[in-house]
Amino acid sequence: QVQLVQSGAEVKKPGASVKVSCKASGYTFNRYSIHWVRQAPGQRLEWMGWISTANGNTRYSQKLQGRVTITRDTSASTAYMELSSLKSEDTAVYYCARDGGSSWEFDYWGQGTLVTVSS
Amino acid sequence: QSALTQPASVSGSPGQSITISCTGTSSDVGGYNYVSWYQQHPGKAPKLMIYDVSKRPSGVSNRFSGSKSGNTASLTISGLQAEDEADYYCSSYSSSSTFVFGTGTKVTVL
Repeated sequence: QVQLVQSGAEVKKPGASVKVSCKASGYTFNRYSIHWVRQAPGQRLEWMGWISTANGNTRYSQKLQGRVTITRDTSASTAYMELSSLKSEDTAVYYCARDGGSSWEFDYWGQGTLVTVSS
Repeated sequence: QSALTQPASVSGSPGQSITISCTGTSSDVGGYNYVSWYQQHPGKAPKLMIYDVSKRPSGVSNRFSGSKSGNTASLTISGLQAEDEADYYCSSYSSSSTFVFGTGTKVTVL
């Protein structure tokens, strides 16, 4: 069955960077794009960006452009999201989600990774 | 890129039907038939309930249905059940291959 397993919780200081991984299994990794979505405590879902696992092309939200980098390692069936220059407002649960392939929807999600930014 | 607008809360009694709206612009909801809906229980990852405006993934109850008119999409839950109590988010493909989520709606089963 399709599974996306994310790395564990992180605590970072303001100004630092964080890199979260998302390991896929149960399907052919490079046939489906991966999106990253975050959710601050008690807040709505926020789309961050996506990567074509086939060719590595990326697209990021305007808000995070310049601070977020999404990469993938096809040999490890793993996608990564790195966020730099962390601020307290970046404290959130970060999710990876698989793109459905035929349409623009997020059909499978990782379990989420809590990133806490605190001095 | 502003969030899509949803009502903060909607409630209904068991067995009733409720509808959640999701209002965007011609650059997202109105411009593409790529609206999806997600259910999120507290502390859990979101779950896909509707995609392509009105299609249901395998395994999702047919009590959930979606539609769209102009810049507004809607999710209807019929035969409301206690397990439907959750947060619901719409999402839409937007211009330049980006995406936007709604503000979220808390559904309460009275």
